[in-house]
Amino acid sequence: NAGVMQNPRHLVRRRGQEARLRCSPMKGHSHVYWYRQLPEEGLKFMVYLQKENIIDESGMPKERFSAEFPKEGPSILRIQQVVRGDSAAYFCASSPPRREPPGTGANLPLHFGNGTRLTVT
Amino acid sequence: AQKITQTQPGMFVQEKEAVTLDCTYDTSDQSYGLFWYKQPSSGEMIFLIYQGSYDEQNATEGRYSLNFQKARKSANLVISASQLGDSAMYFCAMREARFRGATNKLIFGTGTLLAVQP
Repeated sequence: NAGVMQNPRHLVRRRGQEARLRCSPMKGHSHVYWYRQLPEEGLKFMVYLQKENIIDESGMPKERFSAEFPKEGPSILRIQQVVRGDSAAYFCASSPPRREPPGTGANLPLHFGNGTRLTVT
Repeated sequence: AQKITQTQPGMFVQEKEAVTLDCTYDTSDQSYGLFWYKQPSSGEMIFLIYQGSYDEQNATEGRYSLNFQKARKSANLVISASQLGDSAMYFCAMREARFRGATNKLIFGTGTLLAVQP
């Protein structure tokens, strides 16, 4: 019963290179969320995807960052031309395609992967 | 705007004692969810406990309980009988309002670093 799988666990890139972070959701989950954790801070939402669709990218920087969740394969968070400020832990989470009953506040916890620690040198 | 506030950057507790980690939130929604996550030094995010805004009873999960005071908009985490392995960063989070039916966009607080002393 594998959880959310992220790889690589650690990634080192030089300024200007590209970083690709991968996330495989839990089995049966079709919703993926990417969060970023800067040093000494809490997690900040970046993007929410369903298979082949970006649902909410309100937390994504306007440039250099992109995300996809293809029909087959893992979700990818791509950072082009990385800068030192991109150094952070990037977490992926997944949830099943189920909506809570309206008005109840019921919810399911997000299950996070172990994160990818990106270091830009 | 929705917001989570954790006012304790760090806390100490003696092993076997109970500790309360504070969390207040701000929202205009009637339906929302509150979560606590634990992040040990190894870095993973571990779900601990969940409280729904309509739940009448405080949530409990083993040694973890959530002191939910809706009128005060607080959702404090209580850890009973602290263990050395409880030393970690603890994050309070709130599920943001429904967005196109989405259920799990979370807003996190800045965290509280708990150190359990032997």
